[in-house]
Amino acid sequence: QVQLQESGPGLVKPSQTLSLTCTVSGASISSGGYYWSWIRQHPGKGLEWIGFTYNSGSTYYNPSLKSRLTISVDTSKNQFSLKLSSVTAADTAVYYCARGSLGSSGYYAPAPWGQGTLVTVSS
Amino acid sequence: DIVMTQTPLSLSVTPGQPASISCKSSQSLLHSDGETYLYWYLQKPGQPPQLLIYEVSNRFSGVPDRFSGSGSGTDFTLKISRVEADDVGVYYCMQSIQLPLTFGGGTKVEIK
Repeated sequence: QVQLQESGPGLVKPSQTLSLTCTVSGASISSGGYYWSWIRQHPGKGLEWIGFTYNSGSTYYNPSLKSRLTISVDTSKNQFSLKLSSVTAADTAVYYCARGSLGSSGYYAPAPWGQGTLVTVSS
Repeated sequence: DIVMTQTPLSLSVTPGQPASISCKSSQSLLHSDGETYLYWYLQKPGQPPQLLIYEVSNRFSGVPDRFSGSGSGTDFTLKISRVEADDVGVYYCMQSIQLPLTFGGGTKVEIK
């Protein structure tokens, strides 16, 4: 059974870079047929999809975050990562990683998700 | 971006009674491959969202049959035939026909 676990600093200063890692167990990122995604949830709010990567390293980013965002994959460690630069208080959120299946012509919904990690942007 | 609009914002339901949540998309979610890329999640308190329904009406593994999904094109509905205490949380619809993936604003279900 695939499991995902987010890790990284819980507190980041404004203007700095937020860095998170998702460690995957029970499945190999190197296997095809999946995308590896980041999603966030502002406190008490709804869900915002951030972007995803494939095992090849190709990525797709939400245009709203694209200029500040880097998602990468490390198949040797079975991990993928998120870097969000120039953060502000508006980036304070619970960050989730998740796996999604690729269809023949599209993307299926992400499932399962990690438990999420709260990142607070504050000085 | 495709906008997903859920109603109502919240529901208070007596155990054993039915509940219904609506989700409308700003564009059709029917793909040329014949699939409709509409999903439902439940986020229980303190937990990540869990997938309930995929492609409009298919229950995900382990989801009780009191949950059902229906709809087509741009209008979709999630129904709970008999609400139980374990069903409390926030329900989200989501589309994946077009990137970026987008979610509805959520419907909070509480027990009376």
